[in-house]
Amino acid sequence: NAGVTQTPKFQVLKTGQSMTLQCAQDMNHNSMYWYRQDPGMGLRLIYYSASEGTTDKGEVPNGYNVSRLNKREFSLRLESAAPSQTSVYFCASSEKPTDYNEQFFGPGTRLTVL
Amino acid sequence: AQSVSQHNHHVILSEAASLELGCNYSYGGTVNLFWYVQYPGQHLQLLLKYFSGDPLVKGIKGFEAEFIKSKFSFNLRKPSVQWSDTAEYFCAVVGGFQKLVFGTGTRLLVSP
Repeated sequence: NAGVTQTPKFQVLKTGQSMTLQCAQDMNHNSMYWYRQDPGMGLRLIYYSASEGTTDKGEVPNGYNVSRLNKREFSLRLESAAPSQTSVYFCASSEKPTDYNEQFFGPGTRLTVL
Repeated sequence: AQSVSQHNHHVILSEAASLELGCNYSYGGTVNLFWYVQYPGQHLQLLLKYFSGDPLVKGIKGFEAEFIKSKFSFNLRKPSVQWSDTAEYFCAVVGGFQKLVFGTGTRLLVSP
């Protein structure tokens, strides 16, 4: 099993450009999450999907949209990138909707917005 | 709302030294607690977790953590660190029906 995979690994954007970060898991997990990691701030939840067909905002959703394409895939879209969105983005999944279950993380996407 | 504090942002130790990383949370109800580790260039991995039962939890690679409910703490310990323990360590907590909340992380550097 590959676990949680993310593409791309690295990306550089100019301000105003758009892009989609892809995430897939092969563990048949119901719940998926997008986090951003910034120095000194730990991981902050952007959006999550408790189950296929549902998505909800996390702590820092502004400037992002998500799509739970199917049970395996959960994408994060930046419609108009801003320098403040320079960060490392992690996708994660868990068997059940967060809370009491371990989350498994992908390798991350390092995004730079110029 | 729940929150997590990790007071040590950077820790430097020599090999064989003992380690204790602090983690305090704020939430009055039942909590589940986690320690994740991120080795350089890698993704987060679960080190150990506490759901219920024995408050002294043992994890991988010789790490352990103790849940002290009265102090709202879940400190991570290791009796003797190795160079390979160099990493960033995150405490995380979830309570009620809220989402997993991470601390800001502690960067550990172990010098050989």
